[in-house]
Amino acid sequence: GQQVMQIPQYQHVQEGEDFTTYCNSSTTLSNIQWYKQRPGGHPVFLIQLVKSGEVKKQKRLTFQFGEAKKNSSLHITATQTTDVGTYFCAGYPNAGKSTFGDGTTLTVKP
Amino acid sequence: NAGVTQTPKFRVLKTGQSMTLLCAQDMNHEYMYWYRQDPGMGLRLIHYSVGEGTTAKGEVPDGYNVSRLKKQNFLLGLESAAPSQTSVYFCASSYNAGGETQYFGPGTRLLVL
Repeated sequence: GQQVMQIPQYQHVQEGEDFTTYCNSSTTLSNIQWYKQRPGGHPVFLIQLVKSGEVKKQKRLTFQFGEAKKNSSLHITATQTTDVGTYFCAGYPNAGKSTFGDGTTLTVKP
Repeated sequence: NAGVTQTPKFRVLKTGQSMTLLCAQDMNHEYMYWYRQDPGMGLRLIHYSVGEGTTAKGEVPDGYNVSRLKKQNFLLGLESAAPSQTSVYFCASSYNAGGETQYFGPGTRLLVL
């Protein structure tokens, strides 16, 4: 079945440093979504990428979808303490249910 | 709109006891899902439903049953709880499955002793 790998599992950064998490699928995806889960909270939708090579930005967050539509990344510029949490990708194949990656947990030291 | 709500928020069970977790959504979504999340792990799909009266198995369905008698409600049952079912359970809903946003409930923390 479809597998979605996410790396790294944990990332500790100093406030102001950049952060990147990567998501890789074993199969070609129709689209990919990113979610954020704050500590003690529930996953909240951030963005969806559909097109090959697509790049979307939300303030300090930049999301990319690979040309082959099998990988994606989330990059945060100049992290802030409000960025702490776990970031999940969810890959949607052409047919079937989505598969969530295991997430990358970001901690930010002030 | 309340979105997706879950009851209870927290529960302690003894091994062998049964319980039902309730998920309700007021967004008229067709699809509903039950996930479990264990420390340091992602979201694993237990069961899901593509519409009222339908259910299907996800990745980790053993030990759980579900029912979707009404479109807005999705129930998750544990017939005989085991310590391995200690987890945080999240319900989610979406308009459809074709890449639509999933809206998650606040979660239910279950401890099985």
